[in-house]
Amino acid sequence: DQQVKQNSPSLSVQEGRISILNCDYTNSMFDYFLWYKKYPAEGPTFLISISSIKDKNEDGRFTVFLNKSAKHLSLHIVPSQPGDSAVYFCAANWEGAQKLVFGQGTRLTINP
Amino acid sequence: GAGVSQTPSNKVTEKGKYVELRCDPISGHTALYWYRQSLGQGPEFLIYFQGTGAADDSGLPNDRFFAVRPEGSVSTLKIQRTERGDSAVYLCASSLFTGTGELFFGEGSRLTVL
Repeated sequence: DQQVKQNSPSLSVQEGRISILNCDYTNSMFDYFLWYKKYPAEGPTFLISISSIKDKNEDGRFTVFLNKSAKHLSLHIVPSQPGDSAVYFCAANWEGAQKLVFGQGTRLTINP
Repeated sequence: GAGVSQTPSNKVTEKGKYVELRCDPISGHTALYWYRQSLGQGPEFLIYFQGTGAADDSGLPNDRFFAVRPEGSVSTLKIQRTERGDSAVYLCASSLFTGTGELFFGEGSRLTVL
């Protein structure tokens, strides 16, 4: 069963506009959520995270929103830049566990 | 280098052969992880080491897969009697023991089983 789901395989956004990537989860035990970014032929790199005690975390152009009642989180990138073109993975973890559960990824393309 | 290093970057083998994939973590990182990423999927957890011991190997798919970290630094993932379904990118990651999931990944070893 897919505990973390990213239902959009791809997303195309105009440079300068907002990119919104979505992620849903099913396991109520998850209490820490992360976004990773992956360029071709590279390993994933950590981007931003949020604890379940918060509903928003912001870092520069990147903001993650968490809606626990809906078991949904989203990553907002504004303004979007060409260098943001990559595959974005949502991941979840729970206290005491040392294994991330990843979604399938969303390929973001920023068009000039 | 300062990052996680994985070798080989590419490995092509025949069905039934034995392969070893090596990971050299960031110096000082006590936690080491192996993940597997199949085409079109996100990384899937295989095993986690804290120091020399495998603290969680619940993600290993079967007994053909084994991993070691004898001195608490370099780790080797070993796959016996490879099958075509083992074809994937095998990712290694390391972290300080924070428990938050902020991992540093290597570039991966792409395994192709013919």
